[in-house]
Amino acid sequence: GQQLNQSPQSMFIQEGEDVSMNCTSSSIFNTWLWYKQDPGEGPVLLIALYKAGELTSNGRLTAQFGITRKDSFLNISASIPSDVGIYFCAGQPKRLQGAQKLVFGQGTRLTINP
Amino acid sequence: EAGVVQSPRYKIIEKKQPVAFWCNPISGHNTLYWYRQNLGQGPELLIRYENEEAVDDSQLPKDRFSAERLKGVDSTLKIQPAELGDSAVYLCASSLGGSVAEQYFGPGTRLTVT
Repeated sequence: GQQLNQSPQSMFIQEGEDVSMNCTSSSIFNTWLWYKQDPGEGPVLLIALYKAGELTSNGRLTAQFGITRKDSFLNISASIPSDVGIYFCAGQPKRLQGAQKLVFGQGTRLTINP
Repeated sequence: EAGVVQSPRYKIIEKKQPVAFWCNPISGHNTLYWYRQNLGQGPELLIRYENEEAVDDSQLPKDRFSAERLKGVDSTLKIQPAELGDSAVYLCASSLGGSVAEQYFGPGTRLTVT
């Protein structure tokens, strides 16, 4: 079953607004990843985080690996219509280190009103 | 460079029928993953191959699911017989090995069991 709690489940925003979503777990993670999935496509990696406290940007996207290693957040600044989609967090649990295994959150569905 | 190729993209079958999905990974990628994604959820790993060896099939329902990667390149996932609860998107991903972050996903096969 799922071990990551991702919130919010859905967001309805105006174009140009900033977006923030997060992922939490009761377990420690070694790696945090953020993906975007468009309808009818597979997830595409946006940002990968490997160290506690790490803050990484990719254009208008910024993600952070929480200090406790149990959470991560993703921010999108100045949203545009092509940001619409489902965003997933994923992580490699510490207890599965070496197992090359990812656990995914339930996703945040982003809808943008023009 | 071609991405991960999956076929078919869509499949509708009646329950108790068999079904097979095919995946061709990115050239040179030795690690191949099969995921199942239920509606409104993130992907869940079914099986992971390192070359032709299944190194993690702990989440594969072995009573009805089987997979093979005979020559360490393309792979087939089979369900026999299919049940209503098998309706989902089946995603294939591949990586060069090493970091779990370097997984590239295919577009998936959407299976509907009626």
